[in-house]
Amino acid sequence: EVQLVESGGGLVQPGGSLRLSCAASGFTFSSYWMHWVRQAPGKGLVWVSRISSDGGSTTYADSVKGRFTISRDNAKNTVYLQMNSLRVEDTAVYYCASGGSVRFFEYWGQGTLVTVSS
Amino acid sequence: DIQMTQSPSSLSASVGDRVTITCQASQDISNYLNWYQQKPGKAPKLLIYDASNLETGVPSRFSGSGSGRAFTFTISSLQPEDIATYYCQQYDDLPRYTFGQGTKLEIK
Repeated sequence: EVQLVESGGGLVQPGGSLRLSCAASGFTFSSYWMHWVRQAPGKGLVWVSRISSDGGSTTYADSVKGRFTISRDNAKNTVYLQMNSLRVEDTAVYYCASGGSVRFFEYWGQGTLVTVSS
Repeated sequence: DIQMTQSPSSLSASVGDRVTITCQASQDISNYLNWYQQKPGKAPKLLIYDASNLETGVPSRFSGSGSGRAFTFTISSLQPEDIATYYCQQYDDLPRYTFGQGTKLEIK
């Protein structure tokens, strides 16, 4: 059974940093692209970032470029999202997601809540 | 950037009704469109990929169609467990992805 389990969310002040983790199991992690998708309270889904299976290629939404960094450790079956210079508008549930194709998100974690507030 | 516009934003229907949601892309995206279901407090679930292909294990009352700029998602006979918010998502603009704003479906 495929499982994605996020952790690392919490309350942080504006300008602060947080690192999210997503531990994967039940599939060949090192063969899959991984993504982060976020959802602000009561709002829709927004794609944030993706990383290639070997970690050599990364892409970011314009809203987080230069502030967030996605990385992965294939030995630990884990993908990370380092979030710096956090803003109030970054408040959201952050989901990690993946799938057998880069076209869609077949597997999702349960999400971790990040709240940016003073 | 490609914008995705769903309509309606919310919808109330009765059990057994046929329900249709539309998704309009700001430019031609061929069939590069997926549909997701999200129940309250849960992660999204992939239902339809490549505009019309049913994901494994998804009931056949769900279907999708369309190409170019206009797409349709249909539930042929609404069931109580279908209460959720539905999102379209395009991948023509890789490496970036865009979701529609969502359609909240309620039981009348």
